[in-house]
Amino acid sequence: QVQLRQSGPGLVRPSQTLSLTCDISGDSVSSNSGTWTWIRQSPSRGLEWLGRTYYRSKWYNDYALSVKGRITISPDTSRNQFSLHLESVTPEDTAVYYCARVEDTIFDYWGQGSLVTVSS
Amino acid sequence: SYELFQPLSVSVALGQTATFTCGGNNIGNKNVHWFRQKPGQAPMLVIYRVRNRPSGIPERFSGSNSENTATLTISGVQAGDEGVYFCQVWDSSAAVFGGGTKLTVL
Repeated sequence: QVQLRQSGPGLVRPSQTLSLTCDISGDSVSSNSGTWTWIRQSPSRGLEWLGRTYYRSKWYNDYALSVKGRITISPDTSRNQFSLHLESVTPEDTAVYYCARVEDTIFDYWGQGSLVTVSS
Repeated sequence: SYELFQPLSVSVALGQTATFTCGGNNIGNKNVHWFRQKPGQAPMLVIYRVRNRPSGIPERFSGSNSENTATLTISGVQAGDEGVYFCQVWDSSAAVFGGGTKLTVL
């Protein structure tokens, strides 16, 4: 059974960097079939896919156009986890953030969600 | 960018049939997935690739897809089916979600 557990601060100051981590159990971040994604949800933007990292003989990343240039999703193979870093945040980045595994195009396992508030 | 359109709400009497629609340009050519989300929880998969049920989802849940509309149907609605239902597709290597339809069981 795959489990994803998220961690990170719930409050970030404007212009700072939002950082969250997703610990994986029951699978490997280096899996050749899964992709490891971040999604956020807010009343104004709904569910918004942010990007993914995945390994297919080498590491790849894809990012949503809405956050490209500010986002980095990176794996940590030694800890079997992956992280989200979102730079230069504004109150518009306030949302519940989820990590999730995608297997064969299907979001099959999700983290518990992390409310991140951007405020001074 | 690709967009998915869902009605805001659906209300159905206990035991009746609930129908959810998801509109998108030529969505009939895409694999559509459906999720249910309850308050304070992450979305949960209820239908994948248009009409397939994950383990644990009852046969009351079914899906279809045609031209510009995908449909999720729940027959014999129960109180535990309440929640917000989202459709989702992939477009140009990015996941796209609909805005969600809230199901109220009367």
